[in-house]
Amino acid sequence: QAQLVQSGAEVKKPGSSVKVSCKASGGTFSSYGIRWVRQAPGQGLEWMGEIIPIFATTNSAQKFQGRVTITADESTSTAYMELSSLRPEDTAVYYCARGNWGAKYFEFWGQGTLVTVSS
Amino acid sequence: QSALTQPASVSGSPGQSITISCTGTSDDIGDYNYVSWYQQHPGRAPKLMIYDVSKRPSGISNRFSGSKSGNTASLTISGLQAEDEADYYCSSYTRTSTWVFGGGAKLTVL
Repeated sequence: QAQLVQSGAEVKKPGSSVKVSCKASGGTFSSYGIRWVRQAPGQGLEWMGEIIPIFATTNSAQKFQGRVTITADESTSTAYMELSSLRPEDTAVYYCARGNWGAKYFEFWGQGTLVTVSS
Repeated sequence: QSALTQPASVSGSPGQSITISCTGTSDDIGDYNYVSWYQQHPGRAPKLMIYDVSKRPSGISNRFSGSKSGNTASLTISGLQAEDEADYYCSSYTRTSTWVFGGGAKLTVL
């Protein structure tokens, strides 16, 4: 059974960076697309970006380009999302989600990681 | 890329059917058969309910169905049950190789 386990909640100062991890189990890690989606308190879902390890490619939403870095470590089946220059409006639950690399949907989701940005 | 448009709320009584609409553009819903729907209960991660417009993942009840016409996709839930009460989000792949979500619709089972 596919499972994604994310790292724990973080509290960060404005201007700093946060790195969230997402460890996958079940299936072949390199054949997945690992996508990142965030949800601000009381708000909807927002796609941030993805990585496809088998092709070593990444793609991100224009809104986050220059601030988000998505990486993957195939040896540990773990993906990472780092967001820099944090601002209070980046306070949100950050989810990773998995789908086969060619699938255009989010099949399995991690439990979410709450990132709070506050001075 | 603008968010897809969903009604903020929908409601229905147990046993009834409801439909949630999701309107996009010719750059997303209108251009691809890559619409998916997600159910989210409070404090929980989203759950895939429908993918590729009308396909159901294994384990999802056939009370859930999806369709698309032009730039608008729809999710229909038949035989409403109390446990269906949740937020529902649509999503579409886009012409710029990105994804866009709807604002979410809160389903209330009366």
